[in-house]
Amino acid sequence: DSGVTQTPKHLITATGQRVTLRCSPRSGDLSVYWYQQSLDQGLQFLIQYYNGEERAKGNILERFSAQQFPDLHSELNLSSLELGDSALYFCASSVWDNTGELFFGEGSRLTVL
Amino acid sequence: GENVEQHPSTLSVQEGDSAVIKCTYSDSASNYFPWYKQELGKRPQLIIDIRSNVGEKKDQRIAVTLNKTAKHFSLHITETQPEDSAVYFCAASSPGGDKIIFGKGTRLHILP
Repeated sequence: DSGVTQTPKHLITATGQRVTLRCSPRSGDLSVYWYQQSLDQGLQFLIQYYNGEERAKGNILERFSAQQFPDLHSELNLSSLELGDSALYFCASSVWDNTGELFFGEGSRLTVL
Repeated sequence: GENVEQHPSTLSVQEGDSAVIKCTYSDSASNYFPWYKQELGKRPQLIIDIRSNVGEKKDQRIAVTLNKTAKHFSLHITETQPEDSAVYFCAASSPGGDKIIFGKGTRLHILP
């Protein structure tokens, strides 16, 4: 158990819909990262937050948004969903020190029909 | 921005033999290079990492080498075992660690 909690574990929805994925980082971790993993694809970096503030953006679509709340949990919002958005979405957290180790949650598997 | 290339995409080795996975990165300012292992249906987990101030690091059967001049780093697994079968990801991190970019992964098969 990494200590990172993601909900829901599985989500099935239709095209055009909107969903919210939630992540609770490890106790004490200030940084939260979101990654998208499609079938046979690597880990695509989406966005990173540190202590409530956006720190870095990757290949995140404009239809997607995220935020980190004062209690440090984070939410990834995906809207106007398309079939190609079907993927496993990972949240990871880190202490924000020089170790750099990311602790991944179990992921949220999104299926868009 | 940072780009990380990883090769090969698939690797099959006989149990007991060695496996080598190679990565190159584009941002010369990158200073932290972790390797993650993802077993089927599981989350990625860190197995070893190296910082730019060292050229090699070893942990039992796993070693990582870094060539900053050439901007490439490699994972070496010796005496491979069935439980080494997984997808391995290399990554590179810019100073401050605010963007950790992963390669596309290598699927390692250990053959009996």
